[in-house]
Amino acid sequence: KAGVTQTPRYLIKTRGQQVTLSCSPISGHRSVSWYQQTPGQGLQFLFEYFSETQRNKGNFPGRFSGRQFSNSRSEMNVSTLELGDSALYLCASSLGGNSGNTIYFGEGSWLTVV
Amino acid sequence: AQSVTQLGSHVSVSEGALVLLRCNYSSSVPPYLFWYVQYPNQGLQLLLKYTSAATLVKGINGFEAEFKKSETSFHLTKPSAHMSDAAEYFCAVSKGGGSNYKLTFGKGTLLTVNP
Repeated sequence: KAGVTQTPRYLIKTRGQQVTLSCSPISGHRSVSWYQQTPGQGLQFLFEYFSETQRNKGNFPGRFSGRQFSNSRSEMNVSTLELGDSALYLCASSLGGNSGNTIYFGEGSWLTVV
Repeated sequence: AQSVTQLGSHVSVSEGALVLLRCNYSSSVPPYLFWYVQYPNQGLQLLLKYTSAATLVKGINGFEAEFKKSETSFHLTKPSAHMSDAAEYFCAVSKGGGSNYKLTFGKGTLLTVNP
């Protein structure tokens, strides 16, 4: 069974640009969530989607957005990139029926903003 | 609001010694608790989770954790450390029940295993 797949794994962007990251959840999983990991702030929750609807949102500016497609694949977008957006972005998936279900993480997308 | 405190950002043990990584949580409702491990340049891998069943939870790679409500703790232990256990460990909490899928993580503890 394939795990959570994130693309691209590494990317470099310039300040002011935008970026789109993609996530394919484990087959059968309907909940997809995103986290940002930085050395200073640690792991922070961005948002969570279930059946194409955003159910939870973290404390990030509106430049951070996401969506989920009917096949449960998800994308997150960051517009007007800032240097501080440099981070590891982790996607996670779960069955979604109960919050005790295991949340599985992908390998992450490393974003560097220069 | 929920929060997690991991005591000790860096723990160093000798190979074969006991591993103890500390985690205290704060939650207004019964929590679900998780321990994840992160190896360099990789994502997070679940070690174990507590979801209101047995208070002593056994996980992968010989790790276990005990939920103590009176102490609001969920410490991670392993009787004998192996070199391959060197990694960063994260404790996380989410609201029990319902549909809250937001994990709140601690700052992490880097485990070093010395030969």
